[in-house]
Amino acid sequence: GQQVMQIPQYQHVQEGEDFTTYCNSSTTLSNIQWYKQRPGGHPVFLIQLVKSGEVKKQKRLTFQFGEAKKNSSLHITATQTTDVGTYFCAGPGDSSYKLIFGSGTRLLVRP
Amino acid sequence: EAEVAQSPRYKITEKSQAVAFWCDPISGHATLYWYRQILGQGPELLVQFQDESVVDDSQLPKDRFSAERLKGVDSTLKIQPAELGDSAMYLCASSLVTQETYEQYFGPGTRLTVT
Repeated sequence: GQQVMQIPQYQHVQEGEDFTTYCNSSTTLSNIQWYKQRPGGHPVFLIQLVKSGEVKKQKRLTFQFGEAKKNSSLHITATQTTDVGTYFCAGPGDSSYKLIFGSGTRLLVRP
Repeated sequence: EAEVAQSPRYKITEKSQAVAFWCDPISGHATLYWYRQILGQGPELLVQFQDESVVDDSQLPKDRFSAERLKGVDSTLKIQPAELGDSAMYLCASSLVTQETYEQYFGPGTRLTVT
C-alpha cells in the first residue's frame, strides 16, 4: 500500500538552531499536508501544499513541495522551545479525502 | 473556535470487555475519521465516514471493532472484546471538504489502556 516515509525520527537541537524534516513518497502526490502534535496533545493542521515546487512560509516555518511531487520538507529557522513536538506529513490515500500519515519527526529543543 | 469533542478522555478496561468511544465533530463537517495512534507512530486510519456512510474501513478489524454515525453527526467506535494490543490513543477528526483543501481537525483523543 501507499506509504509516506519521514526522516529523521528524532532531532534534538539547541534553541536557536535550525531544524528540517523530510517526507518522501514512492508515488506522485496530488497534495501533501503537514501537522504538528505537541506532547500529550492531538495533531493540528499546519498547511497544505498542492503545486509542484511550491514553497510556503509561516513565520519561521518554510514548507516545500518537490518538483516531482514525491517529496516535501519542513524547515524551522531559529527554533524555540515552543516548537517542541512531533511533525507529521500526510499524503492522500486511495479513497476520497483519506490521508496517510508519516511516522513523524519528533523535535526536542534544549533551552 | 469550534472543536471536535471526544469522550471519555481516558479509559481503562480489562481484556475481553467491551468499550465504546464517542465523537462529536465540528458542526457542518460531513467527513469524520477515526484513527488509532500508537506511541511514537503516526495516526492510522480505522474508518472514514461521509455523512452517515462508511467511505473506507479497510483497516478496521471488523471481527472486534465497529463504528457508526447513524444521523451523520456524532459517531461511536466500539471494541468488543478488547485485547491487550488495543491499548492506544483513539483520535477522531472531522473535515469540511472544499475544492481547495480537506484539512482535518482532531479531537483530544481517548487514551485506552487494556489490562
